[in-house]
Amino acid sequence: DGGITQSPKYLFRKEGQNVTLSCEQNLNHDAMYWYRQDPGQGLRLIYYSQIVNDFQKGDIAEGYSVSREKKESFPLTVTSAQKNPTAFYLCASSPRGQTDTQYFGPGTRLTVL
Amino acid sequence: GENVEQHPSTLSVQEGDSAVIKCTYSDSASNYFPWYKQELGKGPQLIIDIRSNVGEKKDQRIAVTLNKTAKHFSLHITETQPEDSAVYFCAASSEDSSYKLIFGSGTRLLVRP
Repeated sequence: DGGITQSPKYLFRKEGQNVTLSCEQNLNHDAMYWYRQDPGQGLRLIYYSQIVNDFQKGDIAEGYSVSREKKESFPLTVTSAQKNPTAFYLCASSPRGQTDTQYFGPGTRLTVL
Repeated sequence: GENVEQHPSTLSVQEGDSAVIKCTYSDSASNYFPWYKQELGKGPQLIIDIRSNVGEKKDQRIAVTLNKTAKHFSLHITETQPEDSAVYFCAASSEDSSYKLIFGSGTRLLVRP
């Protein structure tokens, strides 16, 4: 069963803690992305990676970090430097680059307590 | 940079009627325009996309039109059904924006049975 998986579906963290969101794809896609979605708003790009061991900042990268050690995995760490981390986080992938169709995972809802 | 505006923010239609959602973009170099459907608590799902070398694309009850001169594109859903109720997002990308997908703010569609 091919696709993009994100875990966990719901995540709670205390202020001051770092937390890592998982994103895995078995579609053999080169590019992967992380977006943040706030209520009533569109998706905003946090980080993206077009190839293993390389990634670029998106529009709202402050307070976040990523790694791309394997083609199929692109974890996102929400650090304590992110001042307003409560949001719905979406991971996506595309075959080659950003002009290709992006396919989304089911999302992780992060709540800071 | 690219800016995508989407209207209306909410749309309520009677089952069987048509629904139209419109988006405008600012970057004349934009050449890829996908539409996504997002159900509550889930990731966005691509429903149709269009590239700038065509003016219209249709897939069963869904169609997208593109007017490059006016820099706007629209989603048309005919014979709406209650299961069409969701939030719909448009997006645009171009080489000038490093192929980043820029999303509209979304339209919440409600189809009344």
